[in-house]
Amino acid sequence: EAGVAQSPRYKIIEKRQSVAFWCNPISGHATLYWYQQILGQGPKLLIQFQNNGVVDDSQLPKDRFSAERLKGVDSTLKIQPAKLEDSAVYLCASSPGQGGIFAGELFFGEGSRLTVL
Amino acid sequence: QQQVKQSPQSLIVQKGGISIINCAYENTAFDYFPWYQQFPGKGPALLIAIRPDVSEKKEGRFTISFNKSAKQFSLHIMDSQPGDSATYFCAAAIHVLTFGGGTRLMVKP
Repeated sequence: EAGVAQSPRYKIIEKRQSVAFWCNPISGHATLYWYQQILGQGPKLLIQFQNNGVVDDSQLPKDRFSAERLKGVDSTLKIQPAKLEDSAVYLCASSPGQGGIFAGELFFGEGSRLTVL
Repeated sequence: QQQVKQSPQSLIVQKGGISIINCAYENTAFDYFPWYQQFPGKGPALLIAIRPDVSEKKEGRFTISFNKSAKQFSLHIMDSQPGDSATYFCAAAIHVLTFGGGTRLMVKP
């Protein structure tokens, strides 16, 4: 079974530039998450999708971050304009959970490492 | 608000020894407590998880001990091996997963 795919793996940009990350979850997984992991810290939830609807985006900095999940499958996370403090690994995860019930195991991709100079 | 606090931040254990990592939580509504293991350059992967209706769960060399009244839970790694060297995250969930800050474990040969 294929895992969660993310791209690009690495990205270096100047501050105030924009960047986009892509995620393809495990086939059939209804729930998709984007987490931000700053070096030396635990992952922090940015946004949760159930199929193509947003369940929780309370910690997403909406003035600069946006995310979408078209057709309930792939997802993109965009940052515009980027700040120095956005340097982190952006992790995508999926789970088979339905109906807002926490399903238990999250399956993570390898992440996209962003460096903002 | 840091809802899940993890300690220690780093841990060095000799091969064959016991590694113990602790977590404390604040929200009594949490009903799922997993531990994730993360190797450098990889995403976290589920190691073991427990629900609050049991006090202990064991899977191979890994054991979760859960103390509901103290709002604490811990991960014990028995017979620690160099291959266990990784960063370990505790987490807690109601509808979404909240992670602790992580513990970097090094097992010396």
